[in-house]
Amino acid sequence: GEDVEQSLFLSVREGDSSVINCTYTDSSSTYLYWYKQEPGAGLQLLTYIFSNMDMKQDQRLTVLLNKKDKHLSLRIADTQTGDSAIYFCAESIGGSARQLTFGSGTQLTVLP
Amino acid sequence: SQTIHQWPATLVQPVGSPLSLECTVEGTSNPNLYWYRQAAGRGLQLLFYSVGIGQISSEVPQNLSASRPQDRQFILSSKKLLLSDSGFYLCAWSDINTGELFFGEGSRLTVL
Repeated sequence: GEDVEQSLFLSVREGDSSVINCTYTDSSSTYLYWYKQEPGAGLQLLTYIFSNMDMKQDQRLTVLLNKKDKHLSLRIADTQTGDSAIYFCAESIGGSARQLTFGSGTQLTVLP
Repeated sequence: SQTIHQWPATLVQPVGSPLSLECTVEGTSNPNLYWYRQAAGRGLQLLFYSVGIGQISSEVPQNLSASRPQDRQFILSSKKLLLSDSGFYLCAWSDINTGELFFGEGSRLTVL
């Protein structure tokens, strides 16, 4: 079955870049997502990438996809204290939310 | 624009008591609706999803049930709560084109 893995914690200094990594197992995944969850709130989609893409950039966010290694990363440039949150990697087949599998989330802490 | 609301935001209930969490979506019709549970502030587990009124699919055997009495209303219920039902419950609807999930703000349930 599908499995999505992430490291649990990451700490960075304000102004530095953050890189959050994710590995997945299902080679038929076609959509890969990054969601952000702030304390006590629901998840919010940050960005997503199709499996036929290697990179996607959106302002301070850069997503890199290595299909061979089934590795997805999210880079946040110039990390701010407001970026402190839990970041979830997720994969789906055909873009179906019904078949969405989430990782356990990476707690990003931004230190002043 | 679409919005999703769920309530109550916080609930403390004794073991054996009933539960009703409500979720409503506005600004879209015939949405796919989901109930997730997030235990210990981490990974999300899909509990139920619904593609239409009265159509409920259960993903895992459990003490909970779901109902969809109206197109944009999704209810999570239990007749008798267990300690293990404690957690953060998230309602969501999905965009059928991208698979993006839009989450409510969550309901934190503590069973004592």
